[in-house]
Amino acid sequence: EAEVAQSPRYKITEKSQAVAFWCDPISGHATLYWYRQILGQGPELLVQFQDESVVDDSQLPKDRFSAERLKGVDSTLKIQPAELGDSAMYLCASSRGAEETQYFGPGTRLLVL
Amino acid sequence: AQKVTQAQTEISVVEKEDVTLDCVYETRDTTYYLFWYKQPPSGELVFLIRRNSFDEQNEISGRYSWNFQKSTSSFNFTITASQVVDSAVYFCALSEAKGFQKLVFGTGTRLLVSP
Repeated sequence: EAEVAQSPRYKITEKSQAVAFWCDPISGHATLYWYRQILGQGPELLVQFQDESVVDDSQLPKDRFSAERLKGVDSTLKIQPAELGDSAMYLCASSRGAEETQYFGPGTRLLVL
Repeated sequence: AQKVTQAQTEISVVEKEDVTLDCVYETRDTTYYLFWYKQPPSGELVFLIRRNSFDEQNEISGRYSWNFQKSTSSFNFTITASQVVDSAVYFCALSEAKGFQKLVFGTGTRLLVSP
């Protein structure tokens, strides 16, 4: 069964450092999502791609976060510089199309010290 | 604005008990989707069900069943004869049915099933 892949699974960094997360969606899925999940809360959408284009980044803190999906397949989410409040689980999801069910990867747990 | 409320923060049951997880939602959209996802300790969100707002029929899948009531804006999830492997955090979510889906999640209900 096809799955969404994410790496790394865990990341510990110091504040003011740069971090990057990678996501490989299910093959053939045109829509890709990055969510942030703070401990004890539900995930919140950071950015959504349709192929290589950003269609919603209204909740992305653009002063420090960036996301790209250059070839419309895999994607990278970057934080620079990281802050203590960025400690969270970062989840990637993909769907065949914008109105299809989203399937999630295992997530990257980030701890900023 | 869309909102999902899961009032039960944590539920503890003993194996083989039935348990119902509550979900109440708010939306101004006439068409929308409702979802349930399971998040085991490993962290990934596992898709359980998607329900269109036009389809109010209850659904059963093995030990899982869902009760959708548009009149009360609720989409409750029942696990029959719970098992230890059901222990996880369960999230209810809502999205528009048209255009680019943005899932709005509740805060989740942690289910602990003890032997």
